[in-house]
Amino acid sequence: TQLLEQSPQFLSIQEGENLTVYCNSSSVFSSLQWYRQEPGEGPVLLVTVVTGGEVKKLKRLTFQFGDARKDSSLHITAAQPGDTGLYLCAGGRGYNNNDMRFGAGTRLTVKP
Amino acid sequence: DAGITQSPRHKVTETGTPVTLRCHQTENHRYMYWYRQDPGHGLRLIHYSYGVKDTDKGEVSDGYSVSRSKTEDFLLTLESATSSQTSVYFCAISESGSWSGAYGYTFGSGTRLTVV
Repeated sequence: TQLLEQSPQFLSIQEGENLTVYCNSSSVFSSLQWYRQEPGEGPVLLVTVVTGGEVKKLKRLTFQFGDARKDSSLHITAAQPGDTGLYLCAGGRGYNNNDMRFGAGTRLTVKP
Repeated sequence: DAGITQSPRHKVTETGTPVTLRCHQTENHRYMYWYRQDPGHGLRLIHYSYGVKDTDKGEVSDGYSVSRSKTEDFLLTLESATSSQTSVYFCAISESGSWSGAYGYTFGSGTRLTVV
């Protein structure tokens, strides 16, 4: 079983729509990161959140860390085709990043 | 000018043969990791290194070994390749292993390995 559950698995929307993807766990994390991965490439870090309730904005992307540090969400406003990709969340639990666990990802397609 | 490169990018090998994948970094980061990515499983940690000659196992380490003789190079060896090791392998680097996770990972572009 996946320590971090991401939903939905797949999402296909039209350009201009808003969307939210979720990352949930029964475990508490010291930090949570979001990555975006494009076909044939490695994941690229978007953001790190470390404080319960923290909200970070990156242009049209809004990231939130749950108050209990067990879950996170990524909201995209006015999605564009360039947002297409696999979105991965990753949670850190231990004293070292060796204990970073990844979710299976949400594959987003934004149609023009 | 990539700070992390993996080689080869693609490899097909036969069951039972040893295979070595290479990760090279130019960032002088202390931490290096090997992950495998499979559909429905996300990224799973195989082994990691926290310094030259300092390595430890991840959650899916069986059948794999690693070596780090220089800061910049981290090698992953499949001792006797099996079909279940067909996967995409990613190397990642990080400045620190601090508990806060404030330092994200930088990933390489991956090696697609097929064991036939």
